[in-house]
Amino acid sequence: GQNIDQPTEMTATEGAIVQINCTYQTSGFNGLFWYQQHAGEAPTFLSYNVLDGLEEKGRFSSFLSRSKGYSYLLLKELQMKDSASYLCALMDSNYQLIWGAGTKLIIKP
Amino acid sequence: DVKVTQSSRYLVKRTGEKVFLECVQDMDHENMFWYRQDPGLGLRLIYFSYDVKMKEKGDIPEGYSVSREKKERFSLILESASTNQTSMYLCASSSGTSSSGANVLTFGAGSRLTVL
Repeated sequence: GQNIDQPTEMTATEGAIVQINCTYQTSGFNGLFWYQQHAGEAPTFLSYNVLDGLEEKGRFSSFLSRSKGYSYLLLKELQMKDSASYLCALMDSNYQLIWGAGTKLIIKP
Repeated sequence: DVKVTQSSRYLVKRTGEKVFLECVQDMDHENMFWYRQDPGLGLRLIYFSYDVKMKEKGDIPEGYSVSREKKERFSLILESASTNQTSMYLCASSSGTSSSGANVLTFGAGSRLTVL
């Protein structure tokens, strides 16, 4: 079967670095997405990984290891506006998305 | 700069009522999706459409139907609302085909439905 797991909630300090992990089990894989969702707003696309390694986009980076069924989103120089939920989504062999429950990130001053 | 518009942000309906949730996108996307979002659960796909007048069931289609008469509009219909359909409903669209790499979704802001 398919399964995707991420922590429910994390807390970090403004200016620090935080890593949000996502682990998955799937028989077919066509990429992994990260979305950001502020409370009461639409999810917005952050990153897509289909090959192993690190993809960097400014303060945000996303890492994928297909052999380990593991991804993480790394947020550097945290700002208060980074307080949001971060959704991990796996694209399966049928190009359908399987979503994690999301990680609520709380940033403290 | 709004790209996916959901007509109602908040609705309160009674059990048994028929409910229409409307979604319009202005990006000329082929693909449109309806999800529901509940606390502690990942997004769950209700229905999707890859073309006008075409619809496919997602993971949880029971109790729902959809309509796509025009490319830009995808409607979700609850024929007879029930309390377990109280949820946040998210519409999304994308331009990619099923074989594209980064089939990025653009979401609407959501419609929060409460069924009493």
